[in-house]
Amino acid sequence: GDSVIQMQGQVTLSENDFLFINCTYSTTGYPTLFWYVQYSGEGPQLLLQVTTANNKGSSRGFEATYDKGTTSFHLQKTSVQEIDSAVYYCAMRDRTGNYKYVFGAGTRLKVIA
Amino acid sequence: EAAVTQSPRNKVAVTGGKVTLSCNQTNNHNNMYWYRQDTGHGLRLIHYSYGAGSTEKGDIPDGYKASRPSQENFSLILELATPSQTSVYFCASGDAWGGGQNTLYFGAGTRLSVL
Repeated sequence: GDSVIQMQGQVTLSENDFLFINCTYSTTGYPTLFWYVQYSGEGPQLLLQVTTANNKGSSRGFEATYDKGTTSFHLQKTSVQEIDSAVYYCAMRDRTGNYKYVFGAGTRLKVIA
Repeated sequence: EAAVTQSPRNKVAVTGGKVTLSCNQTNNHNNMYWYRQDTGHGLRLIHYSYGAGSTEKGDIPDGYKASRPSQENFSLILELATPSQTSVYFCASGDAWGGGQNTLYFGAGTRLSVL
């Protein structure tokens, strides 16, 4: 079945540091890949969607790309701020009609001022 | 603005008791989902629905039932709650794939403790 692996459980950075979070995916279909962000006390919300391999999605200073060859996708931000502290989830949805999303385990980002 | 409302926000239940978690959406989305969130596991799909009257098993359906009586409402039912079902539960809604929008809209979550 479809799966998404997100290995980094927790990341601690200082303000203005570079952020890089990586996920790998497995599917026999045609995936659309997502990054969701969850702030404390809230539900997850969409941060970025990436539909086409080697194309970038961007939002709020974050960029996301995916590599079809290595079946990996990543989220990056050049200079994180304390307000970026949150849990980040990678997710995948098959475009062949499956209604199910598959989420990674999440990466808790803590940014220290 | 898309809106998904969950109730209750917090619930303490006893082992063997019945628990119903409710979800209401005003997005007019066909699809609704129930996830549980646990450290180390992320978001895992329990049940989902394509529309009123339909429910489908997700990846971890054992011990849970779901009900979709209308487009707006989707309930998760724990007939005999167990401590292993202590978790944070999220409801979400989204368009069917052909609807153009692929975004899931989540509620704020229900924190359930089963003692």
